[in-house]
Amino acid sequence: GQQVMQIPQYQHVQEGEDFTTYCNSSTTLSNIQWYKQRPGGHPVFLIQLVKSGEVKKQKRLTFQFGEAKKNSSLHITATQTTDVGTYFCAGRGGATNKLIFGTGTLLAVQP
Amino acid sequence: DVKVTQSSRYLVKRTGEKVFLECVQDMDHENMFWYRQDPGLGLRLIYFSYDVKMKEKGDIPEGYSVSREKKERFSLILESASTNQTSMYLCASRPGPAPYTFGSGTRLTVV
Repeated sequence: GQQVMQIPQYQHVQEGEDFTTYCNSSTTLSNIQWYKQRPGGHPVFLIQLVKSGEVKKQKRLTFQFGEAKKNSSLHITATQTTDVGTYFCAGRGGATNKLIFGTGTLLAVQP
Repeated sequence: DVKVTQSSRYLVKRTGEKVFLECVQDMDHENMFWYRQDPGLGLRLIYFSYDVKMKEKGDIPEGYSVSREKKERFSLILESASTNQTSMYLCASRPGPAPYTFGSGTRLTVV
């Protein structure tokens, strides 16, 4: 069945360093969503990408959707302690068009 | 803002007990979902519902059932709780194909 893999599983950075998480799907996606889950919290929707090659920015966060619509990335510039949490991608596609969540990347930021 | 409310934040139950997890949303969303979240596995879909009295199996429905008697309420039932059902359970809702709004989650421990 459809799978959505995320790497890395865990990343520890110093405050001010950049961070990137990558999402790869086994099938072509119609869209991809990104969510952030703070420690002890629940996933909160960040953004949705729909078009091939699409790039969207939210302040220090840059989201990309691959040309083949099978991968995506989230890049954070100059991380802050408020960025800590788990970042999930969720892709919709495959025969069932169901939303499949990636395994998540846990980001730790050391002050 | 949409609110998705899960009745319990923490729950401890004994093996073999019947467990009810309740979820209520206040925005008249058609679609409601139950996920479980485990470290390294991300979010896995248990059951979902597109309308009142309607339910469909997700990826891991074994050992669970659901009930949706009213549009705003979606209940997850563990017929006979087992220790491998110890997990974080997340309810979500959305109107149509829009992104999810998640509840705060219920951390269930089965002893």
